[in-house]
Amino acid sequence: DGGITQSPKYLFRKEGQNVTLSCEQNLNHDAMYWYRQDPGQGLRLIYYSQIVNDFQKGDIAEGYSVSREKKESFPLTVTSAQKNPTAFYLCASNNLGGGETQYFGPGTRLLVL
Amino acid sequence: KNQVEQSPQSLIILEGKNCTLQCNYTVSPFSNLRWYKQDTGRGPVSLTIMTFSENTKSNGRYTATLDADTKQSSLHITASQLSDSASYICVVSAYGATNKLIFGTGTLLAVQP
Repeated sequence: DGGITQSPKYLFRKEGQNVTLSCEQNLNHDAMYWYRQDPGQGLRLIYYSQIVNDFQKGDIAEGYSVSREKKESFPLTVTSAQKNPTAFYLCASNNLGGGETQYFGPGTRLLVL
Repeated sequence: KNQVEQSPQSLIILEGKNCTLQCNYTVSPFSNLRWYKQDTGRGPVSLTIMTFSENTKSNGRYTATLDADTKQSSLHITASQLSDSASYICVVSAYGATNKLIFGTGTLLAVQP
């Protein structure tokens, strides 16, 4: 999984609860991303960050929040506003520049109790 | 609308046989196309990347082709092994869209002994 770690592997969320998914990379990559994967659908971009202390909304940012306080860390919080959070969440990173391959972490599966 | 479509949705083959997966895209302006392999419950791993000028790219038993005129790509797997069982995802990048990737829904390949 190319130096990107995600934790936990499985996460359970109760109604009204916020949960935070961890993503850490030791590849010295500038950019980091969060994707959501649902059965039968392609990966969808939630948020991305190209530099510390800056991040941009992706296609489905509603109900999620992120921070980028350190280059190697990009945690994702799934808030209670996200009404359908059950999915497989993937973190990725790469260097900036054209054609740079994104490397993915092993993923976190979030389930709602 | 930028889209990536893959076929077939799923495929079952016997160990040792060859197979070909298809990807059609309508992404413009085209920058590059990647094929990823995703094992169940894991993050995707890059197999190949091709730019506009490349027609073929190989990675071991995996050979990807690209026809930029017809906007089609294929991934050919030779002498399949049980470990090839996975989802194969076609990903297209639009030139000028910073790190914006458009993901296909994937082809689920099952290799049976």
